[in-house]
Amino acid sequence: GENVEQHPSTLSVQEGDSAVIKCTYSDSASNYFPWYKQELGKRPQLIIDIRSNVGEKKDQRIAVTLNKTAKHFSLHITETQPEDSAVYFCAASINTGFQKLVFGTGTRLLVSP
Amino acid sequence: DAGVTQSPTHLIKTRGQQVTLRCSPKSGHDTVSWYQQALGQGPQFIFQYYEEEERQRGNFPDRFSGHQFPNYSSELNVNALLLGDSALYLCASSSIGGSPDTQYFGPGTRLTVL
Repeated sequence: GENVEQHPSTLSVQEGDSAVIKCTYSDSASNYFPWYKQELGKRPQLIIDIRSNVGEKKDQRIAVTLNKTAKHFSLHITETQPEDSAVYFCAASINTGFQKLVFGTGTRLLVSP
Repeated sequence: DAGVTQSPTHLIKTRGQQVTLRCSPKSGHDTVSWYQQALGQGPQFIFQYYEEEERQRGNFPDRFSGHQFPNYSSELNVNALLLGDSALYLCASSSIGGSPDTQYFGPGTRLTVL
């Protein structure tokens, strides 16, 4: 089955710096890759997603890139702000109409003022 | 537009007991997936319901069962609770006719087994 690895497990940056979180998936049939942000005690919130027919997607300060050949995808956050501090999860799924998300182990991002 | 809701928020049970958790999907969604999130871990897929049938199942024992009602809401039942069942249980909803892979999560039910 699908396996998703995520690195780093923790990431500390200064406000205004960029942050990059990387994930690797195992099943080449995976074709949907969402990213979720989870603040302490709250629900995972979908922040951006990408499908396998696209190499990059951007939404304001957030971007995701996908390398299908290497089976890597990454989350890029620019101009980080303290409110970006949270745990970020990547996930992968195979869209067959009914699909499960397989999550990475999470990255705790701390943005210091 | 109502988002995904879950009840109860917190639950404390003892080993061997049974528990039922409830989920109402986002308005317009017809598919409900359940996930277990242990402390410090990513969510793990339990199963998914559509048209009142279990469509996919993760690597969870038969002690975990579910149900979906005609109004698309869903229940997760766990029998013979073990200490290791303590976790945050999340449901996520999606729309088969819309973007079936885009799942939106509820706030979760925190289950503690003593």
